[in-house]
Amino acid sequence: NAGVMQNPRHLVRRRGQEARLRCSPMKGHSHVYWYRQLPEEGLKFMVYLQKENIIDESGMPKERFSAEFPKEGPSILRIQQVVRGDSAAYFCASSPTASGKVNEQFFGPGTRLTVL
Amino acid sequence: RKEVEQDPGPFNVPEGATVAFNCTYSNSASQSFFWYRQDCRKEPKLLMSVYSSGNEDGRFTAQLNRASQYISLLIRDSKLSDSATYLCVVKTDSGYALNFGKGTSLLVTP
Repeated sequence: NAGVMQNPRHLVRRRGQEARLRCSPMKGHSHVYWYRQLPEEGLKFMVYLQKENIIDESGMPKERFSAEFPKEGPSILRIQQVVRGDSAAYFCASSPTASGKVNEQFFGPGTRLTVL
Repeated sequence: RKEVEQDPGPFNVPEGATVAFNCTYSNSASQSFFWYRQDCRKEPKLLMSVYSSGNEDGRFTAQLNRASQYISLLIRDSKLSDSATYLCVVKTDSGYALNFGKGTSLLVTP
């Protein structure tokens, strides 16, 4: 039973390029959460999605960042016109139900984004 | 004030030692509390939940003091494999987000 999968594991972009991060939740999970961990910082919640719906995006920067979780395929976190400050580890988590039981959030290995 | 605060350490202890980590949280509406473990450059993994009455899992004991908004983790008989960063995590039942502390770094030495 595969866990949460993220790809790519490492991504290098130049300033101004676009970054696309993918997350495939665990089988049977329909709830996806994205978190960002800046260097020397704790993980910060970004967005919570269910299939085809954004439920809570209170942690998303207002510009350049977007997320989706289509009916088919992985969840995608998209960062347009990346800047150096976007360099971080981006973790995806999934759960089978809404986040009432938080210990059901299982984390993927993360994507490490480096912006040159 | 940050929502979840931890002493960053590092805590350097010899094998077999007992070590304790503390954490404070600012949102009195928080209802769920956890300790996660994060190894270098890897994903966080749930270590244990923290219950009001305190709970134990092998060498690990967690305590919660709601009045002081304080959480603790005690590790007895430290192993080399316990070396990691320990993350204090808090959540309100009405929200979806896990609120992470920055973590406390532990290094267990031979």
